[in-house]
Amino acid sequence: QVQLVESGGGLVKPGGSLRLSCAASGFTFSDYYMSWIRQAPGKGLEWVSYISSSGSTIYYADSVKGRFTISRDNAKNSLYLQMNSLRAEDTAVYYCARRWVSEFDYWGQGTLVTVSS
Amino acid sequence: EIVLTQSPGTLSLSPGERATLSCRASQSVSSSYLAWYQQKPGQAPRLLIYGASSRATGIPDRFSGSGSGTDFTLTISRLEPEDFAVYYCQQYGSSRPWTFGQGTKVEIK
Repeated sequence: QVQLVESGGGLVKPGGSLRLSCAASGFTFSDYYMSWIRQAPGKGLEWVSYISSSGSTIYYADSVKGRFTISRDNAKNSLYLQMNSLRAEDTAVYYCARRWVSEFDYWGQGTLVTVSS
Repeated sequence: EIVLTQSPGTLSLSPGERATLSCRASQSVSSSYLAWYQQKPGQAPRLLIYGASSRATGIPDRFSGSGSGTDFTLTISRLEPEDFAVYYCQQYGSSRPWTFGQGTKVEIK
């Protein structure tokens, strides 16, 4: 069965960096586009970044552009999000999600990132 | 950027009742690119409806989606205890790939 497992979250100071990982299994990872989506505590969902199956096409939300970098390693069935210059407003649960057509059909359980001094 | 506005913010209903959730877009959205998700506390969102009206795998037929243009609706025909949750609509557009509505909470009355 399809599984997405995020890791790498934690507490980081403002201005710091963190790298999130998402391990995929149960499907041919290299065939699918992937995204990161976040949810601040008690708030709604915010799309963060997208990467095509080959990694050749990448999009970012304006709120993270220039600070976050999405990447993938199809040989390792893994998706990554490098987060630099973190701000308090980046505090959220970060989900990796598989894109189906224009929606997200499978989500991981999420990893919590807390940015605080 | 297309903004999705969901209403009501909270819907208080009893099990067995019908729930009607609205999602209104600031600009026309292709029906192919409108989805609905359910999220329970402490869990990841689950895809319910894609393409405005197609149920995702394993979703009971009490869930249905409809609408076009700027007005979309998620209907739960008879609420089961496990349906009390927060529901989000989501659209895909070329200028800003994905946006979500702010959510509607369906709570037990």
